[in-house]
Amino acid sequence: GAGVSQTPSNKVTEKGKYVELRCDPISGHTALYWYRQSLGQGPEFLIYFQGTGAADDSGLPNDRFFAVRPEGSVSTLKIQRTERGDSAVYLCASSRSGGSPTQYFGPGTRLLVL
Amino acid sequence: AQTVTQSQPEMSVQEAETVTLSCTYDTSENNYYLFWYKQPPSRQMILVIRQEAYKQQNATENRFSVNFQKAAKSFSLKISDSQLGDTAMYFCALYNAGNNRKLIWGLGTSLAVNP
Repeated sequence: GAGVSQTPSNKVTEKGKYVELRCDPISGHTALYWYRQSLGQGPEFLIYFQGTGAADDSGLPNDRFFAVRPEGSVSTLKIQRTERGDSAVYLCASSRSGGSPTQYFGPGTRLLVL
Repeated sequence: AQTVTQSQPEMSVQEAETVTLSCTYDTSENNYYLFWYKQPPSRQMILVIRQEAYKQQNATENRFSVNFQKAAKSFSLKISDSQLGDTAMYFCALYNAGNNRKLIWGLGTSLAVNP
């Protein structure tokens, strides 16, 4: 595709529910990143995929957060038992390869947990 | 520890004038890159400019240029001939080209371009 796409654009859920956020990277990009941006903050790294495998998941805050990229393209970020503190914008980015420093971002998913 | 600091939470500039946004960083790596990204209200994080640490020459992209001072670990962004469309949050980010390939971000500077 022309750019990184993310769905949904906005998601409202209730505390304790499960949510899935989807990211479709730029075609041919092998590296994919998830970041979380809280209000008034810069993005914070969550996880980085090189191909199908998670090369670095050190930013995932706890075991309620999980991400997959089964075919090395689309990725899904999964959040179990959502909490109000999970409310944020979730940004996805891709780069040509793991060694390419420039990351191109999607429009983000705004998650609101009531 | 790797850190990025943007000490100006908000700035404003008149249309057609020049403004400089500040950024300092800290890293122990030798091979790294620095970026400025722009985030308008639409939330889309847009790449403005990139600087390779091994290059002495400052990067330029049309009206955007940087002043990269490696010894001082300073990386400021200059916007010339400011336009209303430049109004946005601007983030400075650091990328280390070793094993740790995530971007480390500053808190951002909110820039308002006034007509």
